[in-house]
Amino acid sequence: GENVEQHPSTLSVQEGDSAVIKCTYSDSASNYFPWYKQELGKGPQLIIDIRSNVGEKKDQRIAVTLNKTAKHFSLHITETQPEDSAVYFCAASHPRGGKLIFGQGTELSVKP
Amino acid sequence: DAMVIQNPRYQVTQFGKPVTLSCSQTLNHNVMYWYQQKSSQAPKLLFHYYDKDFNNEADTPDNFQSRRPNTSFCFLDIRSPGLGDAAMYLCATSPRLAGTQETQYFGPGTRLLVL
Repeated sequence: GENVEQHPSTLSVQEGDSAVIKCTYSDSASNYFPWYKQELGKGPQLIIDIRSNVGEKKDQRIAVTLNKTAKHFSLHITETQPEDSAVYFCAASHPRGGKLIFGQGTELSVKP
Repeated sequence: DAMVIQNPRYQVTQFGKPVTLSCSQTLNHNVMYWYQQKSSQAPKLLFHYYDKDFNNEADTPDNFQSRRPNTSFCFLDIRSPGLGDAAMYLCATSPRLAGTQETQYFGPGTRLLVL
């Protein structure tokens, strides 16, 4: 079945710097890749997603890139702010089965 | 505008005492999911409903059951909670299954404490 590996597990940056989180997946048929932000004590919130027919997608300070050949996708956050501090999860879904497979999560800390 | 609502936000129960968590949605989505999330871990899918069709994950314990009386509501029943069942329980919805590239929308979660 599908497996998603996420790195790093923790990331600390200074306010204003960029942050990059990387995920790799195992099943080349996976075709949908969402990213979720989870603040302490809250449910995951979708921040951006990308489908397999697209290589890059951007929404203000957040961007996601997808390399289907290498089977990896990355989240890029520019001009980080303290309110970006949270746990970020990547996920992948396969056309068959209808499940999201999550990465292990990255705890991002943005220091003022 | 709350779209996926979970009640209660915090639930305390006693070891072995049945407990029910509830989820409702205003999105009119066909699919509703229940996840268990333990500290510092990714959400783990327990089961999902596609309409009235119930789909259990192979490794979900029998202790966990679910009911979906209508499109808007879904319940998670834990028949005999053990200490290991203390966790955050997340409900999510999507228009269709995730395999069709559909986004899942999560509720705020219910934190379950077992004494």
